[in-house]
Amino acid sequence: EAAVTQSPRNKVAVTGGKVTLSCNQTNNHNNMYWYRQDTGHGLRLIHYSYGAGSTEKGDIPDGYKASRPSQENFSLILELATPSQTSVYFCASGGVNQDTQYFGPGTRLLVL
Amino acid sequence: SQLAEENPWALSVHEGESVTVNCSYKTSITALQWYRQKSGEGPAQLILIRSNEREKRNGRLRATLDTSSQSSSLSITATRCEDTAVYFCATDAHGNEKITFGAGTKLTIKP
Repeated sequence: EAAVTQSPRNKVAVTGGKVTLSCNQTNNHNNMYWYRQDTGHGLRLIHYSYGAGSTEKGDIPDGYKASRPSQENFSLILELATPSQTSVYFCASGGVNQDTQYFGPGTRLLVL
Repeated sequence: SQLAEENPWALSVHEGESVTVNCSYKTSITALQWYRQKSGEGPAQLILIRSNEREKRNGRLRATLDTSSQSSSLSITATRCEDTAVYFCATDAHGNEKITFGAGTKLTIKP
């Protein structure tokens, strides 16, 4: 069964601090995605990746960086966290050709 | 403006009844997906329907796709309390690896 895990599950950060959210998948999928979910907006794509070493900007990349060091791992980095980045973040993996995406359980981030 | 939009934004029915959620989208697509998200969980795909398909079923779920009107529907028959969730449609843009989600329909199944 597809498996995507995220860590941490909950995070409290201070404004201006650095935050790293991690994602691991055991599906051997090439594509991985980071979304944020806020009330009234559904899921919005921040960054995605086609494979190890690649990162692409999604629809709302400002204030975020991404890193894909291996097929299995994809990180989302907030270099200078702001309160507007308080949200629930979801990682997903998927095959090519707009195939099914498998989501992790989410990380709840609160920036004070 | 969003590329995909579900309606209504909220819906409530009694257990055992049938319910339909609609989706409209704005670009030509390769496929449309329906996802369900239960409280505290990540979304999970229910049905993927490709642009050359008109209907797809998965147990009590039935999805339709009308590319001429750029719309889709997801119907659930014999609803159960565990169907309570937010339902999203998600579309790709032709040739694009990304998919775009709508804001979702919150479905509540009452006992």
